[in-house]
Amino acid sequence: AQSVSQHNHHVILSEAASLELGCNYSYGGTVNLFWYVQYPGQHLQLLLKYFSGDPLVKGIKGFEAEFIKSKFSFNLRKPSVQWSDTAEYFCAVRGTRQDKIIFGKGTRLHILP
Amino acid sequence: NAGVMQNPRHLVRRRGQEARLRCSPMKGHSHVYWYRQLPEEGLKFMVYLQKENIIDESGMPKERFSAEFPKEGPSILRIQQVVRGDSAAYFCASSPQVATNEKLFFGSGTQLSVL
Repeated sequence: AQSVSQHNHHVILSEAASLELGCNYSYGGTVNLFWYVQYPGQHLQLLLKYFSGDPLVKGIKGFEAEFIKSKFSFNLRKPSVQWSDTAEYFCAVRGTRQDKIIFGKGTRLHILP
Repeated sequence: NAGVMQNPRHLVRRRGQEARLRCSPMKGHSHVYWYRQLPEEGLKFMVYLQKENIIDESGMPKERFSAEFPKEGPSILRIQQVVRGDSAAYFCASSPQVATNEKLFFGSGTQLSVL
């Protein structure tokens, strides 16, 4: 069965700090990988996704993620965070043989102004 | 093009009552997913439906929970005889097709509180 593990539950950073949120998945096959973000009071929206090709994926608002197949990882990065990045971030995986998307438990990111 | 619409936004029920949560997918979307979010537990998959068909209900509790997506009208998640442990945020998402790289569009959720 597929599963997703996000390493950090809560992360607090100052503005301009660099960010890396860890995500590991478990699935015995080819996967599609996603990062979703939920800003306070808003619905989830897609940040970026990987399904094939270049393992370094660029998303909206300066975010990027790197798929490392040998490590079953898809970590999210941003070189310099802003106060407006305060949100909850969810890593998700969908096996190409299955239809459902499985989400991690989420990481609450709090950026100090 | 309206997004995924869920109603009500907040639903309060007493133990033993029924809760009905509605989800209207985006126009042109024929695939609906329901997720439950509990504090510190993230989004847990419940069920995936296409019009008039349940495709995957592996995340649905065996009793009291049911879901449908009729040919006409919204998708309904129904919880019978609610208990306190059912209190959670329930999110619906839709997609236009089943391609595995297709992203989901989420609604704003229904917060169910069981007294």
